[in-house]
Amino acid sequence: DIQMTQSPSTLSASVGDRVTITCRASQTINSFLAWYQLKPGKAPKLLIYKASTLQSGVPSRFSGSGSGTEFTLTISSLQPDDFAIFYCQQYDFYPYTFGQGTKLEIK
Amino acid sequence: QVQLQESGPGLVKSSETLSLTCSVSGGSVSGSNYYWTWIRLSPGKGLEWIGYVYYSGTTNYNPSLKSRVTISIDTSKNQFSLKLTSVTAADTAVYYCARSRSPSDSGGWFDPWGQGALVTVSS
Repeated sequence: DIQMTQSPSTLSASVGDRVTITCRASQTINSFLAWYQLKPGKAPKLLIYKASTLQSGVPSRFSGSGSGTEFTLTISSLQPDDFAIFYCQQYDFYPYTFGQGTKLEIK
Repeated sequence: QVQLQESGPGLVKSSETLSLTCSVSGGSVSGSNYYWTWIRLSPGKGLEWIGYVYYSGTTNYNPSLKSRVTISIDTSKNQFSLKLTSVTAADTAVYYCARSRSPSDSGGWFDPWGQGALVTVSS
C-alpha cells in the first residue's frame, strides 16, 4: 500500500495566519492527490483534487500544489471556520490511502 | 445537489455482522459516471478506504478487509449498503459513505460524503 505521511500532526495558528500542511507519498502518485477538511458531526469536505484543482465552492484562500511524492495544502489567511482536521488522500493506486491527519488548532 | 445519509445500528456485538445503508438523494446511484464508496475513521487507523460498488454491481475492496466485506447496491431504492462480518473492537469507527468518479478517468477523489455513522463494537 502507498503510505501517506502528513506533517505536522498538529498545527497551532491564529486567524489571519498563512499555514502550510505537507503530505508525502511513499512512491510517486503523479498528481492524483486530494485534500479534505473534517469537522466533528459534519460531512467531510473535499477541498482540492488533482493536487491543485480547487473544488467548486471552496474559498480561494485554500490552494494545493505538488506532484510525484510531495504535496502541500496552503491556507493563505486563516478564518475562524478553518480550524479542523485536514487529510490528504492518494488515488493513483488501490487501495486508496489517506494521511494520518493534521489538526489545525487555534493558538 | 447530491446528498448521502448513513443509517444502521450504532452498537454491534463482537463477532457479529455490521450492516449500514447509505441513502442517496438529489441524484441516482444508477448513473454510469459514479462509484459508491464506504470509508471509515477510527482512532487506531485514521481514515481507511473500505471499498466501492458500481451501479452494475461491480465491486472493489481494500485487501485488508476483503475477506469480511460486502458492498451492494439497490438501484430501486437508490441506496447502497455495507456488511462487515466477524467484527471486533478494532472495527469501532465512524463509517462514511461517499461518491467518487470513475477510476479509469483517475477520478478517485470523494465528493460528497455523508455525515457519518458511529458504530461501536461491544464485547
